[in-house]
Amino acid sequence: DAGITQSPRHKVTETGTPVTLRCHQTENHRYMYWYRQDPGHGLRLIHYSYGVKDTDKGEVSDGYSVSRSKTEDFLLTLESATSSQTSVYFCAIGSGTDYEQYFGPGTRLTVT
Amino acid sequence: AQSVTQLDSQVPVFEEAPVELRCNYSSSVSVYLFWYVQYPNQGLQLLLKYLSGSTLVKGINGFEAEFNKSQTSFHLRKPSVHISDTAEYFCAVSDRGNKLVFGAGTILRVKS
Repeated sequence: DAGITQSPRHKVTETGTPVTLRCHQTENHRYMYWYRQDPGHGLRLIHYSYGVKDTDKGEVSDGYSVSRSKTEDFLLTLESATSSQTSVYFCAIGSGTDYEQYFGPGTRLTVT
Repeated sequence: AQSVTQLDSQVPVFEEAPVELRCNYSSSVSVYLFWYVQYPNQGLQLLLKYLSGSTLVKGINGFEAEFNKSQTSFHLRKPSVHISDTAEYFCAVSDRGNKLVFGAGTILRVKS
C-alpha cells in the first residue's frame, strides 16, 4: 500500500460522539486525500491537503474537518458522528507529479 | 463539474472469455484518465492511466484501455479473464489537477 497506514482499521461509535481517523505516510508525498466509499457511489472526496496546514474541501465535506500539522499525518475528524457517516474511509497520497494516487487499506466506521 | 459514468454496475463473465468494462466522462477539456481495481476488503490499486500519447494504454495483469476523445470514453478490456480478476473496478478522471472524480464502480464476477 505504498507506505500508507490508517488507524483504526475498524471502529464502532455512537451517534453524537466525536471520531478521529488517522492517515500516516512514509513516502513524503505532498498531497493527501480522504475519501468515503459507499455502495453505488464509488469514492467521493471529503477533504484533501496540498501541504502542511494547507487543506481544501472536496465534494462531501459537510460534517467533517481535517488537519495536517506534519507532512506524514492527515487527520479526519467527525465532530459529532451521525448514522449517515457510516462508511468505509480511504486515505490516499500523491506526489503531484504523475497524478497517481496511492490508497491506504481503509477504515470501516459504523455509527450506531 | 466533471462526472464519470460506468455503464454497468455488474458484469458476469466466464473464465477465459474476453471482457469490456465501459467508462464515459463528461469533461470537454483535456483530461487524465485512470482505472483502479479493488479486491475484497482492500484498498484501490492502479491498473493503468492515460496522460498523453498513444490512445491505447496497457496496464498490469493483462488489462488495456483505449482513450476515445470524440466519444469521451475510456473502456477497459481484457482478452481472457481469470477467476482472480473478480473484483470491483473504478474509472476516474482528472482535469489535469490533483483531484480525481470516480465512477460508481463495476463489479466483475468471473465464473468457472
